[in-house]
Order: sequence, then structure tokens, then C-alpha cells
Amino acid sequence: EDQVTQSPEALRLQEGESSSLNCSYTVSGLRGLFWYRQDPGKGPEFLFTLYSAGEEKEKERLKATLTKKESFLHITAPKPEDSATYLCAVQARGNTPLVFGKGTRLSVIA
Amino acid sequence: GAVVSQHPSRVICKSGTSVKIECRSLDFQATTMFWYRQFPKKSLMLMATSNEGSKATYEQGVEKDKFLINHASLTLSTLTVTSAHPEDSSFYICSAIVGGGNQPQHFGDGTRLSIL
Repeated sequence: EDQVTQSPEALRLQEGESSSLNCSYTVSGLRGLFWYRQDPGKGPEFLFTLYSAGEEKEKERLKATLTKKESFLHITAPKPEDSATYLCAVQARGNTPLVFGKGTRLSVIA
Repeated sequence: GAVVSQHPSRVICKSGTSVKIECRSLDFQATTMFWYRQFPKKSLMLMATSNEGSKATYEQGVEKDKFLINHASLTLSTLTVTSAHPEDSSFYICSAIVGGGNQPQHFGDGTRLSIL
């Protein structure tokens, strides 16, 4: 069974304090790993797709990396507006539905 | 690009009422749309997958007669919660993809459903 585990559940950072969020996964053949940002009361906003181990993608203060077992979302010098829940999801081969993790709630304090 | 609009954003109604939620892809044609349910501080739970012009595929444990899905066009899917009860209160979110394979899903802003 495909599984996604995100850690930590919650993370509190000072503004400018860089850190990483983890997404560990087990999947029968990875087709894609997705990162989303979700603000309270809103739907998830797409951030990145990673397809193969070794791949990296960046967007502003965010950088996503992928290995065969996990993905990291690195946040460099975060700002309060980066506060949100970050969701990780995987899709296995065969056009199966996405499997989501429970997310990491990030709070960045000014 | 890839904007998904969901309406209404919030519904409060009495027990026994049927509620319809619309999901529209505004700037692309969605071959597939998905309906999720999310409980507080929990992950998204897929309810069903719908393809334009065909019957929706429901996940195990989701009642087809309770949650009616109609994907009438490449830009519109609707979810109707029939005879809603308080236990149906939740945050419902739709998403859509263009093409198939491993393209990212783009999500609407969700509908907060509260049944009194």
C-alpha cells in the first residue's frame, strides 16, 4: 500500500531561520511527487512536481529535493507569509490517485 | 493559468437538505476532476474521480447515492450531497487536471459545508 509520512507535524520558526520539511514515502513505482501549500480555509496551491531521484526544483525561498525514499522541502530565510500547511503527495505508476500526507503546519514568527 | 473555481465557498443548511457544489476549470479543459473531503488537521481524503461524459469512480466507503457527481462538460463537475446530515459537515475540495499521467492537480478553494 502506498504511504506518505510527513514530519514534523508542526514547525515554528523565527523569521530568517532556515529549515527543512520531510516527506517519506513508500510507493509501488513513483510516477510523481507533488508539493502543495495550503492556507487555512483554502484549497491546496501547487508548488512543485518531482519525477525522479536526484531532481531538484526551486521557487523563491523554497527548494524541493527527491531521493528514492523521501523528499525535502527546504525553506531558506522564511518570512511570516510563508506560514501555511505544506502537503506532500505521491502518485504511483498506473494512473492511480494521489496519496497525500497529513502535512506540516509551518508558522514563521516575525 | 490552471485556475479552478469552486462555488459556493460556504453553505449552512438544515438537516435533510440537498446541497450542490460546483467545480469549474476556468482557463483549461479538465479531462479529469477529483472530489476530496478534508477534516480539521487531517489530510485530503479522495472521494471520487470523474471523467467528462462518464460515471464517476468512487473510493471504497463513499456512498454513491449520498454523494452524486456529474461531470457534464470539460470545464464543470458538480457534487451533490443528498439529504445531508450533521455528519456530512466537512470541507469539500475539488481538483482538476489537464491531460493525464503525472500532471499536477489544481485545486479549488473548497466549500465549507455545515449541516445544522
